[in-house]
Amino acid sequence: EAQVTQNPRYLITVTGKKLTVTCSQNMNHEYMSWYRQDPGLGLRQIYYSMNVEVTDKGDVPEGYKVSRKEKRNFPLILESPSPNQTSLYFCASSSGRPPLHFGNGTRLTVT
Amino acid sequence: AQKITQTQPGMFVQEKEAVTLDCTYDTSDQSYGLFWYKQPSSGEMIFLIYQGSYDEQNATEGRYSLNFQKARKSANLVISASQLGDSAMYFCAMREPLVTGNQFYFGTGTSLTVIP
Repeated sequence: EAQVTQNPRYLITVTGKKLTVTCSQNMNHEYMSWYRQDPGLGLRQIYYSMNVEVTDKGDVPEGYKVSRKEKRNFPLILESPSPNQTSLYFCASSSGRPPLHFGNGTRLTVT
Repeated sequence: AQKITQTQPGMFVQEKEAVTLDCTYDTSDQSYGLFWYKQPSSGEMIFLIYQGSYDEQNATEGRYSLNFQKARKSANLVISASQLGDSAMYFCAMREPLVTGNQFYFGTGTSLTVIP
């Protein structure tokens, strides 16, 4: 089944403790991206990647890192999480043609 | 300026009636794409419909249609014959590849409640 898989679905952590949210897609898509969703703000793009080793900042990249060493994987790294990064995170991928395929989301709480 | 504006935070519709969810966009690009997604309470993002800026006809997918008015820069979603399962958050989104590369912009969403 074609899908974008994010893990974990839920994560509670403490301020400053490095974490990684994994994202993998099995559709051989070149384009992958990360979003955060906050009430009243919709979804905002954090980073995106056009291909292996090619990444670029979205609208809200501060406090996040990404890497694209393999085509299928696009992990999101929070080196030193802070409470304002508490949010619902989505990974997405695309072949370049619509639509954008989303993972099921990761609900992150930073205390 | 907001790239995507959804002015209706919440909407109610009677079951079996049609409903229009508003979306306006801002772009200087000639080539862009407009999307609608549905997010039920379970949280996943479900793709509904796509309209390319050069598409001459309004997009339709089953009970969903996109009322595309290019001059007004609006891309309203019309849901016909509403069902209880249509109750969800709906997001309008845009991609403008020539101006901002591959950034996707989403609106703040409209929460739709279908009343039995």
